[in-house]
Amino acid sequence: GQQVMQIPQYQHVQEGEDFTTYCNSSTTLSNIQWYKQRPGGHPVFLIQLVKSGEVKKQKRLTFQFGEAKKNSSLHITATQTTDVGTYFCAGPETSYDKVIFGPGTSLSVIP
Amino acid sequence: DSGVTQTPKHLITATGQRVTLRCSPRSGDLSVYWYQQSLDQGLQFLIQYYNGEERAKGNILERFSAQQFPDLHSELNLSSLELGDSALYFCASSVGPHPNSPLHFGNGTRLTVT
Repeated sequence: GQQVMQIPQYQHVQEGEDFTTYCNSSTTLSNIQWYKQRPGGHPVFLIQLVKSGEVKKQKRLTFQFGEAKKNSSLHITATQTTDVGTYFCAGPETSYDKVIFGPGTSLSVIP
Repeated sequence: DSGVTQTPKHLITATGQRVTLRCSPRSGDLSVYWYQQSLDQGLQFLIQYYNGEERAKGNILERFSAQQFPDLHSELNLSSLELGDSALYFCASSVGPHPNSPLHFGNGTRLTVT
């Protein structure tokens, strides 16, 4: 079955440093979604990418979808303490209605 | 506020017991998804319903069952509970049947089995 992997599992950065998390799927995705879960909270939708090679920006966050639609990345420029949380990528299998989540990357920001 | 309501927030029960978790989707959403999140674990997909019909199934145990009612609320039933079933159970909803729209998550139900 489909597997979605994310690296790194954990990342500790100094406030102001950049951060990147990578997402890789074993199968082609029809779209990729990114979610953020704050400690003690629930996942919150950030963005969806649909097209091959698509790049989207949200303020300091830059999301990319790979050309083969099997990988994606999230880059945060100049991290802030409000960026703390776990970032999940999620993608539906092309043939089945399952939204499979990656294991997440937990980001800690040291003030 | 995502608009998705889950009750109860916390549930403590003993092994062997049965519990029911309830979810009301966001207004206008017809799909309901159930996910299990164990400590330091990711989100494990359990099952999806769309407009009352089962749409997709993940690694849901036979001891677990779910349904979506005509008013679109959903219930997840967990029976013969084991210690390993202790987890955070999330419900999420989306507009259509296909996973091409964002999922909106509830606050979750934290289940503790003792």
